[in-house]
Amino acid sequence: KAGVTQTPRYLIKTRGQQVTLSCSPISGHRSVSWYQQTPGQGLQFLFEYFSETQRNKGNFPGRFSGRQFSNSRSEMNVSTLELGDSALYLCASSERTDTYEQYFGPGTRLTVT
Amino acid sequence: QKEVEQDPGPLSVPEGAIVSLNCTYSNSAFQYFMWYRQYSRKGPELLMYTYSSGNKEDGRFTAQVDKSSKYISLFIRDSQPSDSATYLCAMKWGAQKLVFGQGTRLTINP
Repeated sequence: KAGVTQTPRYLIKTRGQQVTLSCSPISGHRSVSWYQQTPGQGLQFLFEYFSETQRNKGNFPGRFSGRQFSNSRSEMNVSTLELGDSALYLCASSERTDTYEQYFGPGTRLTVT
Repeated sequence: QKEVEQDPGPLSVPEGAIVSLNCTYSNSAFQYFMWYRQYSRKGPELLMYTYSSGNKEDGRFTAQVDKSSKYISLFIRDSQPSDSATYLCAMKWGAQKLVFGQGTRLTINP
């Protein structure tokens, strides 16, 4: 099976712009979770989608949003970018929401200037 | 106080040494305890998991969970340069989110 894919891998944006990141889960996986990873805060949970519904949400401002499509692919959007949004954004897929097994993609490195 | 605490290191040891990585946590509801390994410029990969208390061994790796002390450990025996990576502990219960530690950067020196 192909692994989790994320596009784009690298992105440079300017403050105030918005960005959309994409994640394709492993075939058959219906749960997709998003994380933000920074050197200072580590891996922080953004949100989880299962069958097109948001099931869990982390403590991030409303500028961070996501959605999941019927084919389980997911996108996350960050509006009005701030310098502090520079991070590695990771997507992970799993078969169900109550499983420990999450498989991560390579991440999208976002730099905000 | 964070739900999961992990010493970020960095930790540097000679090849062949036994490595001990640890995390403490505060939420007694956690049921699943995982260790992920993350190489530079890669996403984390699941290394080991343990359900509830106890030990689990997989080759050179041993995971231990002590729920009474809210303490988990990962031991790496006969460490190799290829083990150089960041190791993240993670915990979960039910359908709740995965909670990660800060990650420990480990370097094995040849």
